[in-house]
Amino acid sequence: EIVLTQSPATLSLSPGERATLSCRASQSVSNSYLAWYQQKPGQAPRLLIYGASTRATGIPDRFSGSGSGTDFTLTISRLEPDDFAVYYCQQYGSSRALIFGGGTKVEIK
Amino acid sequence: EVQLVESGGGLVQPGGSLRLSCSASGFTFSSYAMHWVRQAPGKGLEYVSAISNTGGSTDYADSVKGRFTISRDNSKNALYLQVSSLRAEDTAVYYCVRPRERVIGFTAPFEFWGQGTLVTVSS
Repeated sequence: EIVLTQSPATLSLSPGERATLSCRASQSVSNSYLAWYQQKPGQAPRLLIYGASTRATGIPDRFSGSGSGTDFTLTISRLEPDDFAVYYCQQYGSSRALIFGGGTKVEIK
Repeated sequence: EVQLVESGGGLVQPGGSLRLSCSASGFTFSSYAMHWVRQAPGKGLEYVSAISNTGGSTDYADSVKGRFTISRDNSKNALYLQVSSLRAEDTAVYYCVRPRERVIGFTAPFEFWGQGTLVTVSS
């Protein structure tokens, strides 16, 4: 079974700083079927990135995704107050692997 | 506007059952596979189950296989999750999810989420 490992677990940064979040898969992700979600307290997750690097509808361009194979990155170029949240990666390459990573919390330093 | 509204959660004793429902609107429900995802209090996201657009194909996480049953009624734009033999570790918010696109199988990212319904398993 594929496992997604996100790091770091917590990222403490200030508004305006750059955030780099990692998602590593235990096996290669087919067709770069890797998505990123943002979740704020008390809210449902929101799709940010799919296909490893394509921004979902309405997502600001300060969010970018990159990577292939087993290593993927979500970058937030300049953190805004609204960006402090938990971020999850997900592999959706097969019905037997619709799994999520453990999440990275981006908190205000 | 796509809307997904879950209902049916509540407090249930270990070993008990519930039927969760999701009412969908704003899109052609019968064209999309649908999913359930859950989140235990203070924990991460866990995929639970999926069903094809026709209902002819289903999938379950190993943690719920044999205990949960996903179904849908396309005439009512409704998705269901029958949860049985409940355990304390099934306590979670259960989200109804629509993928971003219509695909064969379940290989599409999750774009639209309901607000969730809380299931609490406790004696």
